[in-house]
Amino acid sequence: DAGVTQSPTHLIKTRGQQVTLRCSPISGHKSVSWYQQVLGQGPQFIFQYYEKEERGRGNFPDRFSARQFPNYSSELNVNALLLGDSALYLCASSLAPRGSGANVLTFGAGSRLTVL
Amino acid sequence: TQLLEQSPQFLSIQEGENLTVYCNSSSVFSSLQWYRQEPGEGPVLLVTVVTGGEVKKLKRLTFQFGDARKDSSLHITAAQPGDTGLYLCAGAGLGGSNYKLTFGKGTLLTVNP
Repeated sequence: DAGVTQSPTHLIKTRGQQVTLRCSPISGHKSVSWYQQVLGQGPQFIFQYYEKEERGRGNFPDRFSARQFPNYSSELNVNALLLGDSALYLCASSLAPRGSGANVLTFGAGSRLTVL
Repeated sequence: TQLLEQSPQFLSIQEGENLTVYCNSSSVFSSLQWYRQEPGEGPVLLVTVVTGGEVKKLKRLTFQFGDARKDSSLHITAAQPGDTGLYLCAGAGLGGSNYKLTFGKGTLLTVNP
């Protein structure tokens, strides 16, 4: 079975541009989360979506938005790009947003965004 | 705001040595997960610990969750070059906030042959 797939793997944008990143979860997983990982840091939570609804949002500006489609795939959009948005954007899928014990995430390989 | 402090940030050792990585917080977590991330890849889950005081072993790796569920440690015995990578701890919040993982900054481990 395919794992979490993300596209594109690498992209370069200039300041002020907009970017859309895509994620396909593991088959059967209904929850998708997005994380931003700046070089030298751990991933930071951006969004979680479950059944096409936003279930959680991290401390990111409104320039960041996301959505989930009926097939549970997801897109992350970032408008008015800043140099500081350069990072690895990770998508993770899970069976459900809340588990009785732990929310086990499976991460994709990420989309490396460089803003010049 | 929940924070996780990982130490050390960098660790370079020789093959065969033992090491311990620490993950500490002032907050209580419902569970704590350890991931390993290699360059160009996403984090890969190693283990999840849920119960305070829990100890889990994965071959040469031993994971422990603190009694108060605020801290955790990862101990590697007889490290091998294949253990090289970025080790991340991540805590899940309590109750309705357990959908979100709070990650530490990571420990970059290099095991030299």
